[in-house]
Amino acid sequence: EPEVTQTPSHQVTQMGQEVILRCVPISNHLYFYWYRQILGQKVEFLVSFYNNEISEKSEIFDDQFSVERPDGSNFTLKIRSTKLEDSAMYFCASSERGMGGTDTQYFGPGTRLTVL
Amino acid sequence: DAKTTQPNSMESNEEEPVHLPCNHSTISGTDYIHWYRQLPSQGPEYVIHGLTSNVNNRMASLAIAEDRKSSTLILHRATLRDAAVYYCILRAVHLAAGNKLTFGGGTRVLVKP
Repeated sequence: EPEVTQTPSHQVTQMGQEVILRCVPISNHLYFYWYRQILGQKVEFLVSFYNNEISEKSEIFDDQFSVERPDGSNFTLKIRSTKLEDSAMYFCASSERGMGGTDTQYFGPGTRLTVL
Repeated sequence: DAKTTQPNSMESNEEEPVHLPCNHSTISGTDYIHWYRQLPSQGPEYVIHGLTSNVNNRMASLAIAEDRKSSTLILHRATLRDAAVYYCILRAVHLAAGNKLTFGGGTRVLVKP
């Protein structure tokens, strides 16, 4: 069964450093998402991406964050200058369609980001 | 997005049914009811969704109240692998409303052997 993959599974970085989290969505999917989950807290939406542009972003997704689909298979989340509070599990998701009523989002296993 | 209310936790014995309630009294006529679950240390996983009629799939059943102000996810025979946090999420049908999933606290299901 097709699945979303994410690399790395765990990333440790120093505060102020840039990190890039990578995702390979399911191949025929057109909509891509990033969510994050701080330890012990809710899963929070960050950004959705369609047709090579951001379709929606949350308040969390400030200028420090960016997303890119550099080729036909990868979808990346970049954090330019990491802060301690960016430590969280980051989940990538994809869906075939974007109609909010009936589309199903498929999540990857996540990347645990630890900022020291 | 309309708000949902779920119990914080529920316990079940293995191989017994689990009924997970969700209240969504402010649901609009075009909101779909989705359920996702998150197993320990994993990403969320789609379970089921419905609009008005009850729905069944290989994972679970979804029973939707006639007034749509509540729904119940039914796991027919809980296994240890079903121990997870279960999220009830309302999704608007209009693309303009955005495609995001808005997760609440969910219900943590504990399955006892």
